[in-house]
Amino acid sequence: QSVLTQPPSASGTPGQRVTISCSGSSSNVGSNSVTWYQHLPGTAPKLLVYSDHQRPSGVPDRFSVSKSGTSASLAIGGLQSEDEADYYCAAWDDSLNGVVFGGGTKLTVL
Amino acid sequence: EVQLLESGGDLVQPGGSLRLSCAASGFTFSSYAMSWVRQAPGEGLEWVSAISGSGTSAHYADSVKGRFTISRDNSKNTVYLHMNSLRADDTAVYYCARSVSGWYSFAYWGQGTLVTVSS
Repeated sequence: QSVLTQPPSASGTPGQRVTISCSGSSSNVGSNSVTWYQHLPGTAPKLLVYSDHQRPSGVPDRFSVSKSGTSASLAIGGLQSEDEADYYCAAWDDSLNGVVFGGGTKLTVL
Repeated sequence: EVQLLESGGDLVQPGGSLRLSCAASGFTFSSYAMSWVRQAPGEGLEWVSAISGSGTSAHYADSVKGRFTISRDNSKNTVYLHMNSLRADDTAVYYCARSVSGWYSFAYWGQGTLVTVSS
């Protein structure tokens, strides 16, 4: 059972906008910035967003985030076939004194 | 170019020990906290442990506390994960990761090393 809660799956067709939610608590999402990762099987995870809204260079602005209280979400606009991957949110947890990940959301591009 | 290269993964019996290494290059190693993150077969990502740039501060997931120890040698640009009392549920690909800043925005990852705990 992950500390951060994500839906196990999401899907969309090319060009669509898809949103993935991440629900936490006051000790993690509610008080610390959220990071988002894209993970393709057999490869190293890729940082998509950090410090709630910063994107590393090379990450397109199709990937956007929002956060309210103890919940955050990742939106992927203009969905492309190469976006098919697993997506994870993460945050520091002040109670656990460590990093917590969501369980991951498998995105399927139909 | 930032590079992280893990090594040390192996097949080990339950109750056994193993040491993972992560050799870093392409940045000022002592300026960054380093972490280990793992992924068990068919499961999601799980943060394991982190150590500060100076090596004076470390954090652990509850699942490994008391069994795993993270350390670093800044003269060798290497971070280690010493794993004791290994259990079947420690079986995973272990990734070394470096953050953009702070403890957990992992911008750089190694390719991973597989640890299998089985009799």
